[in-house]
Amino acid sequence: QQQVKQSPQSLIVQKGGIPIINCAYENTAFDYFPWYQQFPGKGPALLIAIRPDVSEKKEGRFTISFNKSAKQFSLHIMDSQPGDSATYFCAAKASGSRLTFGEGTQLTVNP
Amino acid sequence: GAGVSQSPSNKVTEKGKDVELRCDPISGHTALYWYRQRLGQGLEFLIYFQGNSAPDKSGLPSDRFSAERTGESVSTLTIQRTQQEDSAVYLCASSLEGTNNQPQHFGDGTRLSIL
Repeated sequence: QQQVKQSPQSLIVQKGGIPIINCAYENTAFDYFPWYQQFPGKGPALLIAIRPDVSEKKEGRFTISFNKSAKQFSLHIMDSQPGDSATYFCAAKASGSRLTFGEGTQLTVNP
Repeated sequence: GAGVSQSPSNKVTEKGKDVELRCDPISGHTALYWYRQRLGQGLEFLIYFQGNSAPDKSGLPSDRFSAERTGESVSTLTIQRTQQEDSAVYLCASSLEGTNNQPQHFGDGTRLSIL
């Protein structure tokens, strides 16, 4: 019940494309869903986060879509750039508990 | 700097030796977390400190692993009698407070290699 399943494991797109990374969860107590971006040799950095009372959140070129009934959420990167090439992790948390991370998606944006 | 600081950045040691990893959280952050990240994998929770409360040690993989934190400052993760499967990046994160949804800020990790 604590698992967060992330797909795909890796993704290659051309510059300007819209990569989509999906996550699914089982624990209905989860109420906070952040996405982290990690560059090689660096720690993960918070990118954007959503709570289940909204279905979509945008910050710049990054959008989270949230489907509460399906217990799924996804990250969309608009107008992707080579500098977006990184590993992306979804995560989920219930109030009073710790973050559970997905396994990560390695994104490559080709010039 | 203002971020989470971890040291050393790299550590190579022989199997069977003990290692100590250090984390300096962001000043004022009461919550501190340790994670392990094996090559190409996700983040595996190890231990969580929140203020003066008893730590959540539920993620520690064996009794060879232990961690301490002095008040709301520095934390050390100790691995005794290291094994080759302990090779990984050990990440530390801190947040303003752990029970609400405060963002976790990560250090760049200690890359541990066991020969």
